[in-house]
Amino acid sequence: DAKTTQPPSMDCAEGRAANLPCNHSTISGNEYVYWYRQIHSQGPQYIIHGLKNNETNEMASLIITEDRKSSTLILPHATLRDTAVYYCIVRASYSGAGSYQLTFGKGTKLSVIP
Amino acid sequence: GAGVSQSPSNKVTEKGKDVELRCDPISGHTALYWYRQSLGQGLEFLIYFQGNSAPDKSGLPSDRFSAERTGGSVSTLTIQRTQQEDSAVYLCASSPRLEGDRRVYGYTFGSGTRLTVV
Repeated sequence: DAKTTQPPSMDCAEGRAANLPCNHSTISGNEYVYWYRQIHSQGPQYIIHGLKNNETNEMASLIITEDRKSSTLILPHATLRDTAVYYCIVRASYSGAGSYQLTFGKGTKLSVIP
Repeated sequence: GAGVSQSPSNKVTEKGKDVELRCDPISGHTALYWYRQSLGQGLEFLIYFQGNSAPDKSGLPSDRFSAERTGGSVSTLTIQRTQQEDSAVYLCASSPRLEGDRRVYGYTFGSGTRLTVV
C-alpha cells in the first residue's frame, strides 16, 4: 500500500510557483521523503529528497513540516516543460530487504498552463 | 555512459514469443532495478540487483519472467511465452550503491522499452 497521499491533479500558471502537497502521516523516523517526476513517455526523474530539514536544489525546494507528516514540493517558476506526473515517495535510508524499493503511487499530474 | 541506456526502445512481438530487454546502467553504479509501467498505471517493482549479492526477484509476476546481470553491469530481462498482459513500458534504473549510511542516492532511470504483445 502506498504510504503517501497526493492530489490526483493540479494546474499552475506558467511563471508562477507550483506547490505540490504530499501527506505521509505514517512516516517513521528513518524514512526519507523523495520526489520524482515523470514527463510523458520518459522514465522517472529524481528531483529532490529530504529527512527533516528543508532542502533546495537547482530544480526545486522541499518543505517538510516539523512533525514530518506532510511535505510540499515547490517549483519556484513553473514552465511548460514542468508538466508531468509528480511522485512523492517515502523510503528508509537502509533497513534491509525491501527497503531499497521505491513504491510509486499515482502521483499528482501537474499541468502548467500558458 | 552519461545515463541509463535501454534497448530496444520499442518492441512489438507476437503472443507466445520470447523477448529480451537490455539495460546498460551508469558506469560504476552497483545497484540496478527493473520496473514496469502499464498504460495509465504507476510503476511496479520487478527485480533488484546489488553487486554480487543474490538478486531480489520478489516482484517478478510469474516464472515466465527472469533477469540476469552479467559482470555486475549490463542486465537482461527475459519474458518467455509473452502474453498480452505483458504489454507495458519496462524501465531500468541504477544507483551508486545500496545506502549503508546516512547518505542516500536517487535512482537514475532509463527511457524504457515499450513492449507491445499482439
